[in-house]
Amino acid sequence: RKEVEQDPGPFNVPEGATVAFNCTYSNSASQSFFWYRQDCRKEPKLLMSVYSSGNEDGRFTAQLNRASQYISLLIRDSKLSDSATYLCVVNRDDKIIFGKGTRLHILP
Amino acid sequence: GAGVSQTPSNKVTEKGKYVELRCDPISGHTALYWYRQSLGQGPEFLIYFQGTGAADDSGLPNDRFFAVRPEGSVSTLKIQRTERGDSAVYLCASSPREDREQFFGPGTRLTVL
Repeated sequence: RKEVEQDPGPFNVPEGATVAFNCTYSNSASQSFFWYRQDCRKEPKLLMSVYSSGNEDGRFTAQLNRASQYISLLIRDSKLSDSATYLCVVNRDDKIIFGKGTRLHILP
Repeated sequence: GAGVSQTPSNKVTEKGKYVELRCDPISGHTALYWYRQSLGQGPEFLIYFQGTGAADDSGLPNDRFFAVRPEGSVSTLKIQRTERGDSAVYLCASSPREDREQFFGPGTRLTVL
């Protein structure tokens, strides 16, 4: 089993809809969690850190469930510009592990 | 301020040749990471530096790969006897500390013919 797993998608979602991604991690010692966004042929960029209490940034909400070892990302009122690959990232000790990413296409 | 820069942006080489890829991190960032990304995959961890020392090189695929960061700033990833399977985008990232956001460079696209 991979240490960080994501549904690769693609998720094809109409503009304005709400979309949710989940990511599971296998090592309970994992310490910090992030969502990165990567546009086609570009480098990854941090979207949000993920905290145990959950956190929200505008249309984006991230949550962490340590008991079930998953993190989630919710995008409300999706925009065409949200089309990208969303990478789940888990930090354990000094090791940073990226998921394969979930591709999102927002349809006009 | 300046972000992470990587040179060259593209490198085409022949099988068996030696290549060096350079990364200039954000000034003051002590943590530096190298990743390799193939099409349709997430970045694959290669090596992590804390200052001048390699804190974790467990992701280097074999002994043809080596990286240095002699003065705790610029890093060079070196690949000997390149193989076609080494073709990928090599990403460098830096961070003020290991559990904080990583800032990525634009990557070097390596093609081994």
